[in-house]
Amino acid sequence: QQKVQQSPESLSVPEGGMASFNCTSSDRNFQYFWWYRQHSGEGPKALMSIFSDGDKKEGRFTAHLNKASLHVSLHIRDSQPSDSALYFCAASDGSGGSNAKLTFGKGTKLSVKS
Amino acid sequence: DPKIIQKPKYLVAVTGSEKILICEQYLGHNAMYWYRQSAKKPLEFMFSYSYQKLMDNQTASSRFQPQSSKKNHLDLQITALKPDDSATYFCASSPRGTGRERLFFGHGTKLSVL
Repeated sequence: QQKVQQSPESLSVPEGGMASFNCTSSDRNFQYFWWYRQHSGEGPKALMSIFSDGDKKEGRFTAHLNKASLHVSLHIRDSQPSDSALYFCAASDGSGGSNAKLTFGKGTKLSVKS
Repeated sequence: DPKIIQKPKYLVAVTGSEKILICEQYLGHNAMYWYRQSAKKPLEFMFSYSYQKLMDNQTASSRFQPQSSKKNHLDLQITALKPDDSATYFCASSPRGTGRERLFFGHGTKLSVL
C-alpha cells in the first residue's frame, strides 16, 4: 500500500483561480511533510514544509496539517500558467540516519488555463 | 547555475549492458540520495548516503550499486540492464540527512533500455 496518498490525480483551474491538493499518510510515524513541485523535464523542487498542526502561509501558497488524521493540504491562490506542473506530497518520520529519506506520493498534475 | 550536476542527461543502453550515472553536488551538503521516477511508479527512494556512508538501501536488486568516491559525489552503477530499468534517475542532496530537511534535486538522467 502506498504510504503517502494524494488526490486528485489531475486538476485544471482557470488563471487567477484557487488550486487545492490533498495528501494523507497511512504511516503514523510520518510527522514531517513537504510539498514539492516538478515542471516538465526538471527535477522536483521543494515548495514548503509543514511540521506543526494548523496553517502555514508562504506567499500565494498555504499548507494545512492535521496530525491527528495525518492529512495535509496545499492551496495555491491566484494560480498562474507557470504553476502548471506536477505537485508531490512527501513525508518522513524526521528521525534521520537510516530514515532520512522522504517518501513521495504519486503526485497531482495541475493545469492552469489562461 | 545548477548546483547538482547529473551526467548524462539522456542515456540509451542495450539489455544486459552496464552503465554508470554520475552525480556531483556543489551545495556543501553531507547527505546524498538516489530516487527513480517512472510512468509506473512515483518518485521511488533508492539509496541514501551520509558522510559517504550508506545509510539506507531500498532497492531489491544488487544490480544497483551506489559509489561515493568523494564527499560531493554519488554515482550509480547499474549492471545487467533490463527494459524495466527504464526511468528517470534523480540525484538529490540535503545538508545533514536529518529527515527534516529540504531535498535539492538534480535535473535527472533519463535512461532508456532497449
